[in-house]
Amino acid sequence: EAGVAQSPRYKIIEKRQSVAFWCNPISGHATLYWYQQILGQGPKLLIQFQNNGVVDDSQLPKDRFSAERLKGVDSTLKIQPAKLEDSAVYLCASSFGGGLYEQYFGPGTRLTVT
Amino acid sequence: AQTVTQSQPEMSVQEAETVTLSCTYDTSESNYYLFWYKQPPSRQMILVIRQEAYKQQNATENRFSVNFQKAAKSFSLKISDSQLGDTAMYFCAAPSGNTPLVFGKGTRLSVIA
Repeated sequence: EAGVAQSPRYKIIEKRQSVAFWCNPISGHATLYWYQQILGQGPKLLIQFQNNGVVDDSQLPKDRFSAERLKGVDSTLKIQPAKLEDSAVYLCASSFGGGLYEQYFGPGTRLTVT
Repeated sequence: AQTVTQSQPEMSVQEAETVTLSCTYDTSESNYYLFWYKQPPSRQMILVIRQEAYKQQNATENRFSVNFQKAAKSFSLKISDSQLGDTAMYFCAAPSGNTPLVFGKGTRLSVIA
């Protein structure tokens, strides 16, 4: 079974530029999560999708971050404009259902904002 | 407020010894799962073990086991016969409010030969 795919693996941008990350979850997984993991900390949930609908985006900085999952499969996370404090690893995870199910993580995208 | 607390930022253990990582959590859910995830250096997060809160029996997965104390909201991870490959960050995760999983800050475990 193919795992969660993410691209790119690394990205370096200057502040005020925009960037987009892509995630392809495990086939059949209805729930998709985007996390931000700052160095030395645990992952923090940014947004949760159930199929193509948003379940929780309470911790997403909506003035600069946006995410979509148009067909209920792939998802993109965008930052525009980026700030220095956005430097982190962005993790995508998927699960068969909601909170009672194991989440499977992708390799992450390491973003450096200079 | 931190709802998942891992009080040990770093730990080390000799190869073949046993080590216990601590975790406490706070949730108002009645039926939930708790998870320990492992994140090796520069590698992706993988599940180590999970515990169903309504089960009294502690979960076991090969060399990994948990000590789940529901009333105390404590969920520690025991690694027996530690191996060099166990070197990693370990994260405890629990549900909180509408968030399916909140992660602790992690414990960096080093296994020493």
